Amino acid sequence: DAGVTQSPTHLIKTRGQHVTLRCSPISGHKSVSWYQQVLGQGPQFIFQYYEKEERGRGNFPDRFSARQFPNYSSELNVNALLLGDSALYLCASSLREAAYEQYFGPGTRLTVT
Amino acid sequence: AQSVTQLGSHVSVSEGALVLLRCNYSSSVPPYLFWYVQYPNQGLQLLLKYTSAATLVKGINGFEAEFKKSETSFHLTKPSAHMSDAAEYFCAVIGGSQGNLIFGKGTKLSVKP
Repeated sequence: DAGVTQSPTHLIKTRGQHVTLRCSPISGHKSVSWYQQVLGQGPQFIFQYYEKEERGRGNFPDRFSARQFPNYSSELNVNALLLGDSALYLCASSLREAAYEQYFGPGTRLTVT
Repeated sequence: AQSVTQLGSHVSVSEGALVLLRCNYSSSVPPYLFWYVQYPNQGLQLLLKYTSAATLVKGINGFEAEFKKSETSFHLTKPSAHMSDAAEYFCAVIGGSQGNLIFGKGTKLSVKP
């Protein structure tokens, strides 16, 4: 079975631009979570969606938004990019709402110049 | 509030030696604890999890961890290191108001031949 997939794998953007990252969960998984991993740090929680509804939001500015589609895939959008948004963005899926067993995708490496 | 602290940002062992990666947790409720591994330029892979059943948890690739409530610890061990174990390891706890994963800062494991 396919694992969690994310696209694109790498992305370079300029300050002030907008970016959209995409995630497809494992088949049958209804929960998708997004994490930001800055170089040298552990991942930080951004959002969780379950059954297409936002179930949790981390301490990130309103420039960050997300949604989940009827097929349970998800998009993370970031507006007005800052240099500090440069990071690996990880998507994780799980069968249920709780984070007891999350499976991570390979991530999207975003570089903001 | 739940949190985890990983002691040692970098651990170096010789091939065949014992691997010990330290994690201490802070939680006001019985915690759910996890160890994830991240190989270079990849996402996170779940090694093992503690969900209040057995205190000694066995995971993949020969790793295990022991939950010690009296020491608020969940250290990761492997009897004999292999070159392929070189990676970054993250301890995590379910916490936050949304029940998301909260990660430590990670420990980079190097294995010398």
